[in-house]
Parts: sequence; C-alpha cells; structure tokens
Amino acid sequence: SQKIEQNSEALNIQEGKTATLTCNYTNYSPAYLQWYRQDPGRGPVFLLLIRENEKEKRKERLKVTFDTTLKQSLFHITASQPADSATYLCALDMRRSGAGSYQLTFGKGTKLSVIP
Amino acid sequence: AAGVIQSPRHLIKEKRETATLKCYPIPRHDTVYWYQQGPGQDPQFLISFYEKMQSDKGSIPDRFSAQQFSDYHSELNMSSLELGDSALYFCASSSTGTGEEKLFFGSGTQLSVL
Repeated sequence: SQKIEQNSEALNIQEGKTATLTCNYTNYSPAYLQWYRQDPGRGPVFLLLIRENEKEKRKERLKVTFDTTLKQSLFHITASQPADSATYLCALDMRRSGAGSYQLTFGKGTKLSVIP
Repeated sequence: AAGVIQSPRHLIKEKRETATLKCYPIPRHDTVYWYQQGPGQDPQFLISFYEKMQSDKGSIPDRFSAQQFSDYHSELNMSSLELGDSALYFCASSSTGTGEEKLFFGSGTQLSVL
C-alpha cells in the first residue's frame, strides 16, 4: 500500500533562513499532493496543492516542488519567521475509483521551529 | 467566511460509555470526512460521506458509526469506548469537482476516555 514518509520529525532553523521539508511516497504517483500546516490542538490548514504535471508552485513565501521520478515533494518556506513554527503535513489522495470523495492520507508531519 | 464547526470542543467519558460528535460542514460543501488524531500522530482517515451517502471507509472500528443528515451535518457515534479512543477527532469538508480538492478542517473534538 502507499506509504508517505516525511523524513524529519523536527527541524530547527534560524529566523530569516529557508526551511526545506521533504515528503516521499512509495508507490504510485498521486494525481496531486497537498501540504497542510497544523498548530497544536488545531485542525490542519490547507496551504498548497501541486498536481503531477506541475513541477513547482508558489504562494507568497511558500514553494512546493513535485518530482514524480523521485517520488518526492519538497516544501520550502523562505525568509522564515517564528510565526511559521508549526507542524507541516504532506498529504496525498488514496483515491478510490468512482467515488465522489476520496481518502486524503497524511504523513506524520515535520515539526518546524523557527528560532529568533 | 463560515468554517467547519464541530461540537463539543472537549468531551470526557468513562470506559464503555457512548459518545456522539457533531460536525457542521461549510455551506455548499458536498463531502464530509472524519479523522482521528492520537497524541503525536498524523490524522488517520475514518470515514467520508458524499452527498449524504457513505463513500469511503478507512480505519474506523466497528464500534463507531457515522451518518450525514439531510441538512448535511454529520455525526460520529462511538460506543463501548476504550482508553485507546482518547484522541482529537476532526471533521473536514470539501467541495468536489472544483479542481482544488482541499479539505477544510474544524477545530476538532478532544475526547478523553477515563
């Protein structure tokens, strides 16, 4: 079955630097991959979606890449700020054919701490 | 803008009791999902409903059941509660067919089983 691996449980970086988080999956390439942010005790918040035919997507200080050959997505936060400290989850669709909805499966997340 | 509303925010139950969690999706969203998140764990998919019909089932125990009502709100019913059921339960909703299949999550219900 499809497995999602986020290679770092925790990442500490200095304010102003670029944070890079990695998400790898093991089997088939999904139609798209998503990244969410989760703060303690809160629900995940959608950040970015990237499709299999897109190499890169940007939103303000965020950038996501998707390499279906490497089966990997990278998530970058440039000019990081202490307010960016949170757990970042990658998620992909375990779509069942013919279904109106789908199963979004999450990785275990990377806890990012931006140090002032 | 309206968000996904879950109630209650916190729930404390004893072992073998029953709990009901409620979810009100974003208006005009056609799909509702339930996730369970244990401490330090990633959210685990339980079950989903599309247009009030169950559409996908994940790792939901047989002791749990869920339904979506005519007004699109959903309830997760949990019976014979066990200590291991203590977790944060999230409901999420989405609007399929928009090309942006992102989920909007509620703030969750923290269930503690004593």
